[in-house]
Amino acid sequence: AQTVTQSQPEMSVQEAETVTLSCTYDTSENNYYLFWYKQPPSRQMILVIRQEAYKQQNATENRFSVNFQKAAKSFSLKISDSQLGDTAMYFCAFMGNQAGTALIFGKGTTLSVSS
Amino acid sequence: GAVVSQHPSRVICKSGTSVKIECRSLDFQATTMFWYRQFPKQSLMLMATSNEGSKATYEQGVEKDKFLINHASLTLSTLTVTSAHPEDSSFYICSAESGSTPGNTIYFGEGSWLTVV
Repeated sequence: AQTVTQSQPEMSVQEAETVTLSCTYDTSENNYYLFWYKQPPSRQMILVIRQEAYKQQNATENRFSVNFQKAAKSFSLKISDSQLGDTAMYFCAFMGNQAGTALIFGKGTTLSVSS
Repeated sequence: GAVVSQHPSRVICKSGTSVKIECRSLDFQATTMFWYRQFPKQSLMLMATSNEGSKATYEQGVEKDKFLINHASLTLSTLTVTSAHPEDSSFYICSAESGSTPGNTIYFGEGSWLTVV
């Protein structure tokens, strides 16, 4: 069974700084998908970034980028130029390579951005 | 973009009664929908996978007779909490898969707060 581990329950950062959230996972599959989701106080799940395991290039979305290390099964999220609106809970998630499989989430990291 | 609508957003029910939560995909057909439960400051726990026209697949430890899931059409899945008790109070969130190939985008509903009194 796949597992996702986020070892940082809480993190704090000041505006304009850079912060990195850690995520490791375990799977025996070779092809799969990894995601970072943001959940603000509204509780709406917002997709931040997605990585396909067969792509070596790290995904980027504006201020958000990942460091995907397939051999180490590591998938960290870097947030550059942090903004107050980045304050939220961040979940790392794994999805297998079959249609109809659910996202498996880590326990989440609560990120607080202060001015 | 694709939208998944969940209703109601908040519901209060009396202990012993049943309550239904709807999850609709508004502009795409969702062969598969997922139901999660989330306790405060915790992660999303998968409850069941719902496939259109067939019985839902429940995760270990989830009572299928208590949490009834129906996926009668490609745009609607419902979760019914039967004989609700205060310990069923939680945030329930659905998601829908857009398409039938691996790696499809997953869209989430807004979630439903259930309070059992």
